[in-house]
Amino acid sequence: DVVMTQTPLSLSVTPGQSASISCKSSQSLLQSSGKTYLYWYLQKPGQSPQLLIYEVSNRLSGVPERFSGSGSGTHFTLQISRVEAEDVGIYYCMRGIEFPWTFGQGTKVEIK
Amino acid sequence: EVNLVESGGGWVQPGDSLRLSCAVSGFAVSSTYVGWVRQTPGKGLEWVSVINSVGTTHYSNSVKGRFTISRDTSRNTLHLQMNSLTVEDSAIYYCGRISRWGRGTLVTVSS
Repeated sequence: DVVMTQTPLSLSVTPGQSASISCKSSQSLLQSSGKTYLYWYLQKPGQSPQLLIYEVSNRLSGVPERFSGSGSGTHFTLQISRVEAEDVGIYYCMRGIEFPWTFGQGTKVEIK
Repeated sequence: EVNLVESGGGWVQPGDSLRLSCAVSGFAVSSTYVGWVRQTPGKGLEWVSVINSVGTTHYSNSVKGRFTISRDTSRNTLHLQMNSLTVEDSAIYYCGRISRWGRGTLVTVSS
């Protein structure tokens, strides 16, 4: 199975500062179609994961602009600018092509 | 509005069977990839099974041969039949599609 590796596994951020989470895939996620099926989720405490970013860099409708995704091939990044208290939770990257789709281990973000 | 509600979880003994259901509203279960993800404290998130718009099914190696995913298009419902359950199958099971999941149902397998 393709392995998704996230770093760091935990992050403590001062409100208003930025945060960055890395996700590396053991295989390239670029498809012959030109699309890359890499997703970012946030699981807030007591909730199910919610999609933030799809296909590397597209924000789902309603997701604040402070969330941005980038990357290509095997290296991807989720950037949170101006972190707010409501951003706490566990962030997961996920590869969504050629089952089994696989998740990263998760990055726990807390507020200082 | 998209909504998914799982049901059917509970406590069972190793070797038992359980059938999970997911009532879907806001989109047709036959219109896209839908499936089941499970979450445990130790193993994190794992896609268990998906079914696509034409009915092709996929399973993780850990459940292949024991679990069966199906859908009822008349009731717009997704199911997961789980047989020969082991303690490693204990988890919260979420149904959904990539962009939206339900709140989950807890399955506990223990003697």
